[in-house]
Amino acid sequence: AQSVTQLGSHVSVSEGALVLLRCNYSSSVPPYLFWYVQYPNQGLQLLLKYTSAATLVKGINGFEAEFKKSETSFHLTKPSAHLSDAAEYFCAVISGTGGFKTIFGAGTRLFVKA
Amino acid sequence: ETGVTQSPTHLIKTRGQQVTLRCSSQSGHNTVSWYQQALGQGPQFIFQYYREEENGRGNFPPRFSGLQFPNYSSELNVNALELDDSALYLCASSSGPDSYNEQFFGPGTRLTVL
Repeated sequence: AQSVTQLGSHVSVSEGALVLLRCNYSSSVPPYLFWYVQYPNQGLQLLLKYTSAATLVKGINGFEAEFKKSETSFHLTKPSAHLSDAAEYFCAVISGTGGFKTIFGAGTRLFVKA
Repeated sequence: ETGVTQSPTHLIKTRGQQVTLRCSSQSGHNTVSWYQQALGQGPQFIFQYYREEENGRGNFPPRFSGLQFPNYSSELNVNALELDDSALYLCASSSGPDSYNEQFFGPGTRLTVL
C-alpha cells in the first residue's frame, strides 16, 4: 500500500530565502509522485510530477523536486521564496502505470515573511 | 476552454439528511474523481468514474455514491449525513483514468453538517 508523509505541518521562511518542503513516500511498486499547491478557497493546482523519467523535475513558479529512490523522498524546493508562494502544499503518490487512486499527504502550510 | 466547476460552493445540512454535489468536467475529459478534504488534512480519494462507470473506490461507506452523465458531468451523493462528513469536497477531471493523466481540480464544495 502506498502512503505519503510530509514532515512539518508548517514551514516559515523569509522572502528571498530557500524553500524546502519535505515528502517521503512508501510504495510497493515504482510510484508516480506529485506536488500540488492549494491557495485559500481554491482547488488544487499541479506544481510538478515525477513519472520515472528524469529524477530532477522542474515545475511551475520556479519549483523543482528531486526523486531519491534510496531515501524514498521527493522534497520540493525553490531557491528564492516570494510572498505569493504562501499556500498549502500537498505531496501525493499513485502506484505506477495503471494506478488511479491518488494518496495525498497531510499538507504543509508555507508562510513567507516580508 | 472552461475549467472544472462545482456547485454549490457552500452547503449546510443537518445530521441524517441527504446531499447532492455537482461537478462539471473540463471540456474533453471523460474521467472524474471525487475527494473529501477534512479541515487540516489532505484530500482523501472517494471514487473515480470513467465513461459513466465507477472505476475504483476508496475507503468510504456505501452511503457515498456517485453518477457520471453522458456529458461527463458528475454527482456525488451522500445519504444519512454524519457530523464527520463536514469537509471540502473536491472533484477532479482528467482525459483518462490512468495515473499519467493530469487531474484538474475544481474549487470544491464546502459541506457543513450540523
